[in-house]
Amino acid sequence: DAKTTQPPSMDCAEGRAANLPCNHSTISGNEYVYWYRQIHSQGPQYIIHGLKNNETNEMASLIITEDRKSSTLILPHATLRDTAVYYCIVYYRDDKIIFGKGTRLHILP
Amino acid sequence: EAGVTQFPSHSVIEKGQTVTLRCDPISGHDNLYWYRRVMGKEIKFLLHFVKESKQDESGMPNNRFLAERTGGTYSTLKVQPAELEDSGVYFCASSLTSGSRYEQYFGPGTRLTVT
Repeated sequence: DAKTTQPPSMDCAEGRAANLPCNHSTISGNEYVYWYRQIHSQGPQYIIHGLKNNETNEMASLIITEDRKSSTLILPHATLRDTAVYYCIVYYRDDKIIFGKGTRLHILP
Repeated sequence: EAGVTQFPSHSVIEKGQTVTLRCDPISGHDNLYWYRRVMGKEIKFLLHFVKESKQDESGMPNNRFLAERTGGTYSTLKVQPAELEDSGVYFCASSLTSGSRYEQYFGPGTRLTVT
């Protein structure tokens, strides 16, 4: 079973920031938090990952709580192309990914 | 840099036939994974190679599925004989084995339809 809990769906207006929450209360000390997304029927796409510090790259920002039991993925200026299913996943090094149901993000024009 | 490629993109076969899916990982990626999504379900792990060795094959559904990675480069996944419930999208992913980055890069998938 997936070790994370995410809302099944969210809406966000185009141009606004999309904040996707994730709970991972049973995360182990050496596990990283990863975010992937799947646009339509394409292969999942890596977005960002972190261990305990907040991270930012060209796609998104990742905010991890101090106790590491939850995190938030932030898409700063959502566009219609960000419509996808977003997966929050925790794993260690080269372990397999256990996908949950993810959050279906709808970007509204 | 070329990404993960998979062939074919789509395959339609009859029940009882054999199909072989191929995955070419990103050059230099020792880790190679197979996943699949059957209709309406979540993406599920099948197996994991490190170079040419099977590191974890706990997700392989039964002995009709055979995965190989000769030489530690590309991998094949053979389904023989195919059953109706094997229909779905098969994804391959690859990742590095060193450093602190273990993100997996996925291919576009092979859509398998068994009729």
